[in-house]
Amino acid sequence: GAVVSQHPSRVICKSGTSVKIECRSLDFQATTMFWYRQFPKQSLMLMATSNEGSKATYEQGVEKDKFLINHASLTLSTLTVTSAHPEDSSFYICSADSGNTIYFGEGSWLTVV
Amino acid sequence: DAKTTQPPSMDCAEGRAANLPCNHSTISGNEYVYWYRQIHSQGPQYIIHGLKNNETNEMASLIITEDRKSSTLILPHATLRDTAVYYCIVRVSGSRGAQKLVFGQGTRLTINP
Repeated sequence: GAVVSQHPSRVICKSGTSVKIECRSLDFQATTMFWYRQFPKQSLMLMATSNEGSKATYEQGVEKDKFLINHASLTLSTLTVTSAHPEDSSFYICSADSGNTIYFGEGSWLTVV
Repeated sequence: DAKTTQPPSMDCAEGRAANLPCNHSTISGNEYVYWYRQIHSQGPQYIIHGLKNNETNEMASLIITEDRKSSTLILPHATLRDTAVYYCIVRVSGSRGAQKLVFGQGTRLTINP
């Protein structure tokens, strides 16, 4: 199956700093990628839809100035958590639309201390 | 909002067929049924999808009722590694940049030795 890669898989950052997570589609081009977050024992919650060459579309209740999304190429989208706080600690997962199916990355664990 | 209903949990004996039901009574004519699974602390894994015909691949079979209001995912010979949360999702396919996957709570499938 198609491969979507996320980096880093785990990151620890200090409160008040920013952290960037990358999502790459390795064997297909994706004009659309999606970002989710997941808290323990809960389902995935869609945060935003990332569109190549245009602004991301955020779900209701998600702060666009806090979760910056950039989709600069057809194979790369980035999520930057700005001014991170402990409550931002979560499992962040990206996915990429191949046109037929959506494939998911391995996820990135963010811990803010 | 998620448009599917799944039982919260199921158990199945190792080596037996696991049959996971999903209700999607409000599915539209152009919406596909997608199945993903998530093993603890990993990104969701694509399993299979279908529109109205039954589908089979190396992982599973998908049986969709004639009225398309429900479907069943079949893992023919379940192994311990199939223990995961299984998500049934409806989505329009083939329309780049438009259709997101919205996750419900899924079914927690436990395969018992």
